[in-house]
Order: sequence, then C-alpha cells, then structure tokens
Amino acid sequence: DTAVSQTPKYLVTQMGNDKSIKCEQNLGHDTMYWYKQDSKKFLKIMFSYNNKELIINETVPNRFSPKSPDKAHLNLHINSLELGDSAVYFCASSPSWGSQETQYFGPGTRLLVL
Amino acid sequence: GQQVMQIPQYQHVQEGEDFTTYCNSSTTLSNIQWYKQRPGGHPVFLIQLVKSGEVKKQKRLTFQFGEAKKNSSLHITATQTTDVGTYFCAGPRGAQKLVFGQGTRLTINP
Repeated sequence: DTAVSQTPKYLVTQMGNDKSIKCEQNLGHDTMYWYKQDSKKFLKIMFSYNNKELIINETVPNRFSPKSPDKAHLNLHINSLELGDSAVYFCASSPSWGSQETQYFGPGTRLLVL
Repeated sequence: GQQVMQIPQYQHVQEGEDFTTYCNSSTTLSNIQWYKQRPGGHPVFLIQLVKSGEVKKQKRLTFQFGEAKKNSSLHITATQTTDVGTYFCAGPRGAQKLVFGQGTRLTINP
C-alpha cells in the first residue's frame, strides 16, 4: 500500500564504510528525487531522475552515486562514509518533472555515521 | 541562487492560540507549495498556490499568496496538538527544482 517506500529505515555504520539506500514508488510517477535533511531540518535536493535519466545533480560529493534501474526505483549508494553524512535521507516522487509538481515523500532513512 | 526565506524558525503556542508562518522570496514565484512534517515523519504536501493574491482554506488552515507573488503565509486558527510539526514552504528555482524554506517548527502547550 505504501506509495513511496525506502529501505532501510535506520542505518548505523562506521566511518569509511559503503552503504546503499533503496527507494521504490508505486504511484506510476515519472520523476524521483533524493533529499538530505540535516539536524536543523533543512531539506536540500541532491538528485532527480526523470524516466531513469538524471536531470538534477546538485553540488554533492561524488561519493554519492544514484542509480535508477527503472522509473519506479531510485537507489543511492554512498562510498567512504563520513561523519557529516549523518542525516535523514528522503526519497520523493512526482507525477512528472517540473517545479510545479507536488512531491510525495518516502518515510526517510536515518543514517548515523560513527 | 533564488532562495525562499521562512520565518519564524520556531514558534511555541498555547493550545487554542493562532499561529502564522511567513515565506518570502527575492524573486517572483510562479507557484508556492506548503508541506507539513510531523516529528519523526516525512514532509506531506498540504497545498499549492498559483494565482496572485490567492487565498485557500483547509479547515483551520488559511494559505495566502501575495499580490506580487513574492510572499506567502500559512495561518492556523485555534491550534490543536495535532498541528505540531514543521511547516515548510517551497518555491521553484528554474523549471525543474523545488527549493524548500528553512521551515517553522511549531510546538504546542496543551
């Protein structure tokens, strides 16, 4: 039933490790996003894909690599995790691309790097 | 780049009091969206405003879009404990990106 789902919900790991977060949406949307929310609740877009193609790539360290195997899935792989990567990562989707589109957020993945 | 500024950052009220959060942009916005994030939850879309001077209501929530389309506000009448959370406005940056304000965190004393 969940429209936008993410796994895992919580991720605790050591500095230097590599980890992946997965996202799936069953809304039939064309566009998916990754956002990072820091401890001050600031929501910042990282990436956006439209029909499996990368359309937004913000200034994000290249340790972060998104991958969209199909338009219902958008995964995020993070290499060599750093303390500053600790945050909540939200996946979102919208019917189409465009800044006027409503975004539907997943439940978030709470990443803690020790 | 274009930013959306939101004030106040925090607001604590007694249950039953009104609450307002304001969103300002240095440039004209084609539209503005509002989201609510409950503690421990994820942002949930509330409404989108498109027209200059537009006012929309959802029960106790009133949303306004300024005449110049550079500012917006969300007003909650007679707050209830279920209103607790962080309220975000979001405006477009270019054709593709949505930029979120810093959010206003509302806490309520029952």
